[in-house]
Amino acid sequence: EADIYQTPRYLVIGTGKKITLECSQTMGHDKMYWYQQDPGMELHLIHYSYGVNSTEKGDLSSESTVSRIRTEHFPLTLESARPSHTSQYLCASSLQQGVYTEAFFGQGTRLTVV
Amino acid sequence: AQKVTQAQTEISVVEKEDVTLDCVYETRDTTYYLFWYKQPPSGELVFLIRRNSFDEQNEISGRYSWNFQKSTSSFNFTITASQVVDSAVYFCALSEAGNTDKLIFGTGTRLQVFP
Repeated sequence: EADIYQTPRYLVIGTGKKITLECSQTMGHDKMYWYQQDPGMELHLIHYSYGVNSTEKGDLSSESTVSRIRTEHFPLTLESARPSHTSQYLCASSLQQGVYTEAFFGQGTRLTVV
Repeated sequence: AQKVTQAQTEISVVEKEDVTLDCVYETRDTTYYLFWYKQPPSGELVFLIRRNSFDEQNEISGRYSWNFQKSTSSFNFTITASQVVDSAVYFCALSEAGNTDKLIFGTGTRLQVFP
């Protein structure tokens, strides 16, 4: 069983609020990711990190920002939430290896902005 | 460009039926990796299998089996004797050797197994 945790699981928040979605893993993985999953189920990579102090934007443009100050922690922040940010956000991590290894996913945060 | 297509949006079966989930991929790389993930109602994605492009052997794990065919760019997933607990959304995904930071997901297939 993967040791990657996301909080909160569910969040309903008003427009304009600042929010931070937490993601922590206890596996010592270097690589971490944030995916956004729309209601049609498709998953899009929005941010990833190779390690401490490394952050990169993914394929889907996002108004969110991320930080990686500690290996185990990869929080995602929205400075001003909007209804268009309503989605499920999934965090994942994997080992930094030459040969690709599978990513382990958290249970997700379902965000609703009203 | 890389792409994963799961043409079946939703499949419903009755328990004990066999079911095959289709996955077709596109890539220009000769070295790539293919994955299947399961997303139960609890939300997390559970890793099921990884295949690299040089390994075309089919794999069986209990009631699960995977058929990788490079000639048709397909990586299909079969559940034998389905059970209610198999109900979930299943995602096929692709990662290219030169870009292993990114998993390209298909749109998923929702499988409902009725008792």
